[in-house]
Amino acid sequence: QSVLTQPPSVSGAPGQRVTISCTGSSSNIGAGYDVHWYQQLPGTAPKLLIYGNSNRPSGVPDRFSGSKSGTSASLAISGLQAEDEADYYCQSYDSSLSALYVFGTGTKVTVL
Amino acid sequence: QVQLQESGPGLVKPSQTLSLTCTVSGGSISSGSYYWSWIRQPAGKGLEWIGRIYTSGSTNYNPSLKSRVTISVDTSKNQFSLKLSSVTAADTAVYYCAKTLYGLYFDLWGRGTLVTVSS
Repeated sequence: QSVLTQPPSVSGAPGQRVTISCTGSSSNIGAGYDVHWYQQLPGTAPKLLIYGNSNRPSGVPDRFSGSKSGTSASLAISGLQAEDEADYYCQSYDSSLSALYVFGTGTKVTVL
Repeated sequence: QVQLQESGPGLVKPSQTLSLTCTVSGGSISSGSYYWSWIRQPAGKGLEWIGRIYTSGSTNYNPSLKSRVTISVDTSKNQFSLKLSSVTAADTAVYYCAKTLYGLYFDLWGRGTLVTVSS
């Protein structure tokens, strides 16, 4: 039931920069609602990584950055590290008849 | 430091009701303007928001589940609960409770609990 579309996977070598896209619609991201990102390490619960499009909670390395434009958003990981190998999900608020909160389809980041 | 912990049966029979509780520790469930949500994740799949409750008792549910879901809060026990009726195998998932900041995003998650629907 994911309403936000992400690429299934991205990969990069240690030290490289990778980006993950999140495409929504006029009822969520395009309506001006913020985008938030979560990191889910294998076998663990999701953890808030970016909130309000580009803000990092305390403790999140500045290698992680977020941006939003129009009906899409992006998460960038610079200086890729082995510990960044995880699933990443975007999330936004939705004003249509669907769920209030919608998640992206999820992206698996692999460190080569 | 606030923590969330889900609890409840790990196995539920088809057509029965799934019941889970989330206990909030390290802080009062009533403090602050927070919503408290339930989210689930089938194995190998993405996240699905189930519903949320405010400490006043006001609720919102995912329309796809609304006819089967009830979320309640017990402020005296610092807990909120999920009931999902008429379950099928499609309801098998890891269920998470989460604190919903400003009603916009999930800043704190429980560790999750696996619920399997099987006879």
